[in-house]
Amino acid sequence: AQTVTQSQPEMSVQEAETVTLSCTYDTSESDYYLFWYKQPPSRQMILVIRQEAYKQQNATENRFSVNFQKAAKSFSLKISDSQLGDAAMYFCAYRENDMRFGAGTRLTVKP
Amino acid sequence: NAGVMQNPRHLVRRRGQEARLRCSPMKGHSHVYWYRQLPEEGLKFMVYLQKENIIDESGMPKERFSAEFPKEGPSILRIQQVVRGDSAAYFCASSPEPGQGGTQYFGPGTRLLVL
Repeated sequence: AQTVTQSQPEMSVQEAETVTLSCTYDTSESDYYLFWYKQPPSRQMILVIRQEAYKQQNATENRFSVNFQKAAKSFSLKISDSQLGDAAMYFCAYRENDMRFGAGTRLTVKP
Repeated sequence: NAGVMQNPRHLVRRRGQEARLRCSPMKGHSHVYWYRQLPEEGLKFMVYLQKENIIDESGMPKERFSAEFPKEGPSILRIQQVVRGDSAAYFCASSPEPGQGGTQYFGPGTRLLVL
């Protein structure tokens, strides 16, 4: 069974600084997809970034980038130049068929 | 292009009543997924449907819960004889691609409160 582990229940970052959120997953498959979703207080699930496992190049979306280590089954999210609006719960997700989510990391951004 | 729509956004039911949650996927999407989120937890997969077919219901409780996605109209998640433990946020997502890989786009969720 695929499991997704986010080992940091809470993280804090100073505005304009960089923060990295950790995620590891367990699978025996070689072809799958990984995602980071953001859930602000409104509780809307917002896609942040997506990575195909067959691609070696790490995905980037503006201030958001990932460090995808396939052999280590690690998929961390780096947020650069943190902004107050980045404060939210962040969920890592794995998809082969259905989507499996980690328990989330609550990110606080300090002004 | 409207996103995934869910209604109602908030639903209050007394124990023993029925709850019906509706989800309209994004235009052009024929794959719908339902998830449940308990407070302070991540989303848990419940069921995956295509038009008129249940593809995977491995995450859905065997009793009291059912889901459908008819040829016409929204997908419905139905909870019969609700109990307090059913109180949660229920999210629907849709995707355009069959099965593997496609990004899922989420609706705003329905918050169910069982009194």
